[in-house]
Amino acid sequence: ETGVTQTPRHLVMGMTNKKSLKCEQHLGHNAMYWYKQSAKKPLELMFVYSLEERVENNSVPSRFSPECPNSSHLFLHLHTLQPEDSALYLCASSQDNRGTYEQYFGPGTRLTVT
Amino acid sequence: DQQVKQNSPSLSVQEGRISILNCDYTNSMFDYFLWYKKYPAEGPTFLISISSIKDKNEDGRFTVFLNKSAKHLSLHIVPSQPGDSAVYFCAAIRSMEYGNKLVFGAGTILRVKS
Repeated sequence: ETGVTQTPRHLVMGMTNKKSLKCEQHLGHNAMYWYKQSAKKPLELMFVYSLEERVENNSVPSRFSPECPNSSHLFLHLHTLQPEDSALYLCASSQDNRGTYEQYFGPGTRLTVT
Repeated sequence: DQQVKQNSPSLSVQEGRISILNCDYTNSMFDYFLWYKKYPAEGPTFLISISSIKDKNEDGRFTVFLNKSAKHLSLHIVPSQPGDSAVYFCAAIRSMEYGNKLVFGAGTILRVKS
């Protein structure tokens, strides 16, 4: 596979469930990102990892927990979510998190919290 | 505080004509701007970018214009094709302590009618 892949593509979970979103990039990039896109709103940056180190936590509630075991993989662990957390979650990667390198996005996980 | 604004939620254009998508920003510290295109069920894909030291960048049918004094940029697509129908996001790069952050607009839905 090439580019940025995300699994699952769709996820429905209850508020008491625990689930994880997975992202994998095959581009040799050093930076990875999680974004949230709610309906008719701009993409919101959630987390940034550079060389597997978290460099930004954009005031995200603790019910979202990221993990970056290596530069190719990024996870978003979810627990006790709220219905307002229903959104499209996008993963992205870039060569570096400095300079003007464009970010490459995965197809996203459509999350519905019931 | 939305620093990047796309005030037109949608635009409809006839095939072969010009599509003009607009974007306004408020932060004069932005020094690089990008346009992304998103099809349904796919992640955003990078389209074209422009540095703040330029006022125009052209790539095939796509041209981005930047007016720094007005804090305004636009994407011109000519001639428009049905395959251009998608959501277009304007984004700006902001330098942070940890690196660079992409700030996105809410997107404009472009429909090209054949």
